[in-house]
Amino acid sequence: EAQVTQNPRYLITVTGKKLTVTCSQNMNHEYMSWYRQDPGLGLRQIYYSMNVEVTDKGDVPEGYKVSRKEKRNFPLILESPSPNQTSLYFCASSPPRDTYEQYFGPGTRLTVT
Amino acid sequence: GNSVTQMEGPVTLSEEAFLTINCTYTATGYPSLFWYVQYPGEGLQLLLKATKADDKGSNKGFEATYRKETTSFHLEKGSVQVSDSAVYFCALTNTGGFKTIFGAGTRLFVKA
Repeated sequence: EAQVTQNPRYLITVTGKKLTVTCSQNMNHEYMSWYRQDPGLGLRQIYYSMNVEVTDKGDVPEGYKVSRKEKRNFPLILESPSPNQTSLYFCASSPPRDTYEQYFGPGTRLTVT
Repeated sequence: GNSVTQMEGPVTLSEEAFLTINCTYTATGYPSLFWYVQYPGEGLQLLLKATKADDKGSNKGFEATYRKETTSFHLEKGSVQVSDSAVYFCALTNTGGFKTIFGAGTRLFVKA
């Protein structure tokens, strides 16, 4: 089944404790992206990747890191999480660039206390 | 910069009512426009899309037309069902396809 998977689905952590949210897609998509969803703000793009080893900032990159060492994986790293990073996070991937539609993972609900 | 504005919710309708959710945008170049739907506890799914002016996207009885002159992409459905209850997001992807801007989302409740 073609899909985007994220792990973990739920995470409660404390301020300053480094964490990684994994994202993997099995559709051989070149483009991948991370978003955060907050009430009243919709989804905001954190980082995106056009291909292996090629990443760029979205609209809200502060406090986040990403890497793209393999085509299928695009982990999101929070080196020192803070309470304002409590949110619902979505990973997405997209087929060749002339379509631009995105396929979303199920989401990761992160709480930072 | 690019932006997307959609009507605030929640929108509450009775089954078989007509639905309109307004969406307007500002963008440079020639963006592609999308409606995504989010059912409770799930990720977003593409509902429909339009890639150039005057294109009409349609799926599952929903329609939206890319209007460049009014910078709008309003979502419509002639007869909603309880199963259409969800959050609907309007979005645009810029020319080149790397950055996407979402509206704030509109929650729809459909009563039986």
